[in-house]
Amino acid sequence: DAKTTQPNSMESNEEEPVHLPCNHSTISGTDYIHWYRQLPSQGPEYVIHGLTSNVNNRMASLAIAEDRKSSTLILHRATLRDAAVYYCISANTGKLIFGQGTTLQVKP
Amino acid sequence: NAGVTQTPKFQVLKTGQSMTLQCAQDMNHEYMSWYRQDPGMGLRLIHYSVGAGITDQGEVPNGYNVSRSTTEDFPLRLLSAAPSQTSVYFCASSLGLAAHTGELFFGEGSRLTVL
Repeated sequence: DAKTTQPNSMESNEEEPVHLPCNHSTISGTDYIHWYRQLPSQGPEYVIHGLTSNVNNRMASLAIAEDRKSSTLILHRATLRDAAVYYCISANTGKLIFGQGTTLQVKP
Repeated sequence: NAGVTQTPKFQVLKTGQSMTLQCAQDMNHEYMSWYRQDPGMGLRLIHYSVGAGITDQGEVPNGYNVSRSTTEDFPLRLLSAAPSQTSVYFCASSLGLAAHTGELFFGEGSRLTVL
């Protein structure tokens, strides 16, 4: 499984889009890119995952670079409830290894 | 569906005591796992199971035992508690081990303090 690199923290304004970057330069062809988030005092929750193509769901969009060495999680309109730690994980199985993640602050 | 249920939610132990953290899921998931999260840190994988009767070690297995006698249950046993095991423990499950199965469902966590 490839190691991922994320910024420690990011800030956003409420109702603006947020782009959370992730580098996974050693990713292999079978590694999926997973995103989870953890709200304060809660367990992590699934956000989105993908292999090669960009993915959209009700929570977010995942943009994967053509060479797959990086990806971006896009929250289209940040709300205060989106303040959380966001984890980017690269894995070819469901055995997910979490890093430190990016702490997202959302300002009203 | 209840999802992933962990008990107890809070526990205080003395050094050297043993205990079992319970985890149950009602989604017929094959894959289950245990993580620990120390204050201000990310999650670390302790043990995981890909089905009844099959378990394997994660990143930090020392001091913990697991078993998987049924699909639904995946208990985590602390053999002789140490202060270094003070942490929040999360149980998680998913359909299978394959990455494309996607979503890992987490329980609410069990906060353990070892004095």
